Amino acid sequence: RKEVEQDPGPFNVPEGATVAFNCTYSNSASQSFFWYRQDCRKEPKLLMSVYSSGNEDGRFTAQLNRASQYISLLIRDSKLSDSATYLCVVDTNTDKLIFGTGTRLQVFP
Amino acid sequence: DAGITQSPRHKVTETGTPVTLRCHQTENHRYMYWYRQDPGHGLRLIHYSYGVKDTDKGEVSDGYSVSRSKTEDFLLTLESATSSQTSVYFCAITETGSYEQYFGPGTRLTVT
Repeated sequence: RKEVEQDPGPFNVPEGATVAFNCTYSNSASQSFFWYRQDCRKEPKLLMSVYSSGNEDGRFTAQLNRASQYISLLIRDSKLSDSATYLCVVDTNTDKLIFGTGTRLQVFP
Repeated sequence: DAGITQSPRHKVTETGTPVTLRCHQTENHRYMYWYRQDPGHGLRLIHYSYGVKDTDKGEVSDGYSVSRSKTEDFLLTLESATSSQTSVYFCAITETGSYEQYFGPGTRLTVT
């Protein structure tokens, strides 16, 4: 089993739609969780950190379910500019992070 | 902006030649990381550093070496490049007390 698993997509959604991505992780000792956004041929950029039970930032909501070892990212009112790949990232309880392979989102007009 | 630069940004080299990639940061962060990113594999850790002259291996360290003689610079060397090392290489830093990593713009390396 991969340490961090994501549905690769692509998710093709119209503008204004709500879309959700899920991610599962295998290390039950992990304490810190993140969502990164990566545009084509660019570096990953931190979108949200997910601590305790989850958090919200504008149109983006991240949830954490420790019992089931999954993290979700909800995007409401999708914009064309949300088109990107979203990486689920989990700490290893050491100095290192494990990155999922990403879920690609394409928002169309 | 985490003040991270990478050089070169693009490089084409031949199999068997040595290659050094440079990561430079301006904010004295203790931890620095080198990743490679390939389709279907996501980001994979090559080596990381937790201080000057303190480095450790990641999951894909074979064929790579690193050096950190100054806080601001972390060098990745491919002693003898192979075609399997064609990839995009990202450097990252972690701010003290946090797991959040911030990335440089990347180096696109092609080994022919």
